Amino acid sequence: EIVMTQSPATLSVSPGERATLSCRASQSVRSYLAWYQQKPGQAPRLLMYGASTRATGIPARFSGSGSGTEFTLTISSLQSEDFAVYFCQQYNNWLPYSFGQGTKLEIK
Amino acid sequence: QVQLQESGPGLVKPSQTLSLTCTVSGGSISSGNYSWSWIRQPAGKGLEWIGRIYIRGYTNYKPSLKSRVTVSEDRSKNQFSLKLTSVTAEDTAVYYCARSDPFTVFFDYWGPGTLVTVSS
Repeated sequence: EIVMTQSPATLSVSPGERATLSCRASQSVRSYLAWYQQKPGQAPRLLMYGASTRATGIPARFSGSGSGTEFTLTISSLQSEDFAVYFCQQYNNWLPYSFGQGTKLEIK
Repeated sequence: QVQLQESGPGLVKPSQTLSLTCTVSGGSISSGNYSWSWIRQPAGKGLEWIGRIYIRGYTNYKPSLKSRVTVSEDRSKNQFSLKLTSVTAEDTAVYYCARSDPFTVFFDYWGPGTLVTVSS
């Protein structure tokens, strides 16, 4: 099983600042990496797939990068609605499809 | 707009079988264009993919759960289902159904989730 490790577990950032979240895979997943945002009591929402392609309706302040084993999600100027938990997920056809444990983005 | 909705008992006794159904609206599960998965999340924890059904009824399961899991479909009702046998307290979680492409399995539509508690 490919293990996905996210860091940090919690990130405290002020509104308007940049947030950088990391995700590492235990083996290469090429660019088969997705990011999700989850707010309390809600299902996850797809933000990014293919490591760097924004899903429909996702604002341009969200960007993704990386390939292989190292990935980054960047939120360029945090808005109040961006404070949530973020998960990465690999889908490189190695079962099972696996998620990171999440990064909680909180208001500083 | 595709919508998914989970349904089923919220309380299951240990050693019994957890059964959930996902009803899909706004799209057909029998089109062959999508894959339909179950994912769970224990309280305060991360997401765990359980299994899926896709083209022509093929299924994949998480290896560590494979002996206890069955995902099936009812095309006449546009539903797919999860059965998890011999449950323990560790199976207590919010269970989500979700849609993906059959070959690039990231999840673009999710149900709201349903909490299943395993307790006597």
